[in-house]
Amino acid sequence: GIQVEQSPPDLILQEGANSTLRCNFSDSVNNLQWFHQNPWGQLINLFYIPSGTKQNGRLSATTVATERYSLLYISSSQTTDSGVYFCAGRYYGNNRLAFGKGNQVVVIP
Amino acid sequence: DSGVTQTPKHLITATGQRVTLRCSPRSGDLSVYWYQQSLDQGLQFLIQYYNGEERAKGNILERFSAQQFPDLHSELNLSSLELGDSALYFCASSGIGGNYNEQFFGPGTRLTVL
Repeated sequence: GIQVEQSPPDLILQEGANSTLRCNFSDSVNNLQWFHQNPWGQLINLFYIPSGTKQNGRLSATTVATERYSLLYISSSQTTDSGVYFCAGRYYGNNRLAFGKGNQVVVIP
Repeated sequence: DSGVTQTPKHLITATGQRVTLRCSPRSGDLSVYWYQQSLDQGLQFLIQYYNGEERAKGNILERFSAQQFPDLHSELNLSSLELGDSALYFCASSGIGGNYNEQFFGPGTRLTVL
């Protein structure tokens, strides 16, 4: 199956700072999603972004499908942004999502 | 709230026992997926059902089975439980709206095997 690599694995941010999380895929995907897992374990959908750029408040994401990577931008981080961010891809002919190991983000006040 | 519901939220049981996890997909979604999240393996796909039929299988153990009922809810059955089965089990669904491939996850069932 496809391999999904996320970087950096751990990130500590001062409140108000900006950050970029990266996700690389070993093969082409036709579905890419970003999730935030909060401290209670819930997986919250952030973006469905097979290609292009989307923005939602302080978060934005960009996927360059031809180069097999996606980026998640967090601007003006807040303590509520803490948690683990996962990207997941679905490759052609398959319905399952393959997840990366996540980016553990801690935002300190 | 994703619209996907899972029960129970927590389950504590003993080795060798059998448990059933339940999932109700978002209204109208025909596809249901089960995933397991453990510390050592991360988030892994187990199995998918589409409108009552098994559609895809991942690394699901033979001790585990699932089904999707006519009302589209799904159950994941875990038997002969071992300590290593302790994990967070997620159900996801997809199938309506423009992004019909987008999967939405339930809150999960945290299983602890003692």
